[in-house]
Amino acid sequence: AQTVTQSQPEMSVQEAETVTLSCTYDTSENNYYLFWYKQPPSRQMILVIRQEAYKQQNATENRFSVNFQKAAKSFSLKISDSQLGDTAMYFCAFMKGGTSYGKLTFGQGTILTVHP
Amino acid sequence: ETGVTQSPTHLIKTRGQQVTLRCSSQSGHNTVSWYQQALGQGPQFIFQYYREEENGRGNFPPRFSGLQFPNYSSELNVNALELDDSALYLCASSLVGGGPSANEQFFGPGTRLTVL
Repeated sequence: AQTVTQSQPEMSVQEAETVTLSCTYDTSENNYYLFWYKQPPSRQMILVIRQEAYKQQNATENRFSVNFQKAAKSFSLKISDSQLGDTAMYFCAFMKGGTSYGKLTFGQGTILTVHP
Repeated sequence: ETGVTQSPTHLIKTRGQQVTLRCSSQSGHNTVSWYQQALGQGPQFIFQYYREEENGRGNFPPRFSGLQFPNYSSELNVNALELDDSALYLCASSLVGGGPSANEQFFGPGTRLTVL
């Protein structure tokens, strides 16, 4: 079974600064995907960024980037130029490849607060 | 493109009752997954439906059951409700066999179930 651990229950950052959220996972699989999801107070879960395990290049989506360390089983999210709208709960999630589409294993979440 | 919708938004039930939650998948998607999210925690995978068949199940008892209809909408049924069933229930849809983005889950806003 897979496990996902987010060791930072809460983080805060000033507007326009950079923050990094940590995530580690445990799996014996070689084919898998990793995701960061954002859940604002309005509660709808939104995909922020995803990483295919077979890709060595770290994924980037505008102000969001990841540091994927496959050997260390680490998958951190960096948010640059933080904005007030980034305030949300952030979840790291794992999905096996193959026929496991949609079966996500989530971490416990990190509450991020962006201060003006 | 119509997003994932869920009904009802909120629901209050008493112990021992039965509840049905509904989900309409995003247009063009053929797979629906259900998750339970207790307050302050990450979502937990309940089960997934693909082509009207259950395609994987998490660690939930048989009193959690589901259906998927030919139009790919879905229902989650919970019998003999317990206090611990109080949670946000999330539905997510995806397109299996849909190329590079097939593993992307699109979440609905959730149904908040309170069991008294």
